[in-house]
Amino acid sequence: AQTVTQSQPEMSVQEAETVTLSCTYDTSESDYYLFWYKQPPSRQMILVIRQEAYKQQNATENRFSVNFQKAAKSFSLKISDSQLGDAAMYFCAYRSGISNFGNEKLTFGTGTRLTIIP
Amino acid sequence: KAGVTQTPRYLIKTRGQQVTLSCSPISGHRSVSWYQQTPGQGLQFLFEYFSETQRNKGNFPGRFSGRQFSNSRSEMNVSTLELGDSALYLCASSLQKSTDTQYFGPGTRLTVL
Repeated sequence: AQTVTQSQPEMSVQEAETVTLSCTYDTSESDYYLFWYKQPPSRQMILVIRQEAYKQQNATENRFSVNFQKAAKSFSLKISDSQLGDAAMYFCAYRSGISNFGNEKLTFGTGTRLTIIP
Repeated sequence: KAGVTQTPRYLIKTRGQQVTLSCSPISGHRSVSWYQQTPGQGLQFLFEYFSETQRNKGNFPGRFSGRQFSNSRSEMNVSTLELGDSALYLCASSLQKSTDTQYFGPGTRLTVL
């Protein structure tokens, strides 16, 4: 079974600075997808970024980028120019890429609570 | 395009009662998944439906059930509620394939007294 580990329960960063959230995962599959979701106090889970394991290039979405190290099974999220609206719980998630129905579930890490200091 | 909607947003029930939660996916999405979020267990997968068929199920007791209608709307039901069922229940929809990204609704907060 796949597992996702987020070893930083809490992180804080000064507004406008850069912060990196860590995530490691364990899988025997070669085809899979990794995600970062953000859950603000409203509790709505919002997709931040997605990475396909077969792509060597790291995904980027505006101020958000990932450092995907497939061999090390590491998937960290970098937030540049942190803004107050970035304050939230961040979850790393894994999803199998095997096309057989039955593998569609997301496996989540325990989350990292990010605080932005004005 | 409207996002995933969930009703009701908040529910208070007592032990032994049953409850039904509803989820309407993004228009065109045919897959609906349900997750339970608690402080102690985190986010756990409940089940996933596609074309009115359950095609994946998490490790939850039989008191938790669900269904999907022909318009892709989904309901989940919890019977004989226990205190430990208090949680945020999240619904997510995706187009159809296992590789499609899941988009989440705002959740239903269930409190069992």
